[in-house]
Amino acid sequence: EAEVAQSPRYKITEKSQAVAFWCDPISGHATLYWYRQILGQGPELLVQFQDESVVDDSQLPKDRFSAERLKGVDSTLKIQPAELGDSAMYLCASKKGRYTEAFFGQGTRLTVV
Amino acid sequence: DAKTTQPPSMDCAEGRAANLPCNHSTISGNEYVYWYRQIHSQGPQYIIHGLKNNETNEMASLIITEDRKSSTLILPHATLRDTAVYYCIVRAPGNDDYKLSFGAGTTVTVRA
Repeated sequence: EAEVAQSPRYKITEKSQAVAFWCDPISGHATLYWYRQILGQGPELLVQFQDESVVDDSQLPKDRFSAERLKGVDSTLKIQPAELGDSAMYLCASKKGRYTEAFFGQGTRLTVV
Repeated sequence: DAKTTQPPSMDCAEGRAANLPCNHSTISGNEYVYWYRQIHSQGPQYIIHGLKNNETNEMASLIITEDRKSSTLILPHATLRDTAVYYCIVRAPGNDDYKLSFGAGTTVTVRA
């Protein structure tokens, strides 16, 4: 069964360092999402791509976060510099078409120390 | 998208049916009810969705009241692996504004 792949699964980084997460969506899925989930809360959408274009990044803290999906396939989410409050699970999801459901990856657990 | 209200937690005995309630009193006519669950340390998983008729799949059943202001997700024979956070969401189909408002969900603990 096809899955959304994310790496790394776990990341510990020091405050003020740069960190990057990678997501490989299910093949053929044009839409890709990055979510952030703080412990005890539901996921919060950060950015949405349609192919290589950003559709919505209104919730992305653009002073330190960036996301790209250069060839419309895999995607990278970067944080620079990381802050203590960025500690969270970062989830990637993808879906094939407009009337289909999204599939989520296992997430990257980030701890900023 | 309409907001939903769910109990913060519930326990269920293994092998028994688990009935998870969700209130969505402000749901509009074209909004569907979706259920996702999130097992610890994993990404959310789609379970089922419906508009007004009851729905059943291999994972669960969804019962929507006639006035559509509330619904119940039924796990017919809960197992320990069903322990998870369950999210009830309402949204219009094909809405590309995919800001799923997950909320805090219901933490379901299935006990042996």
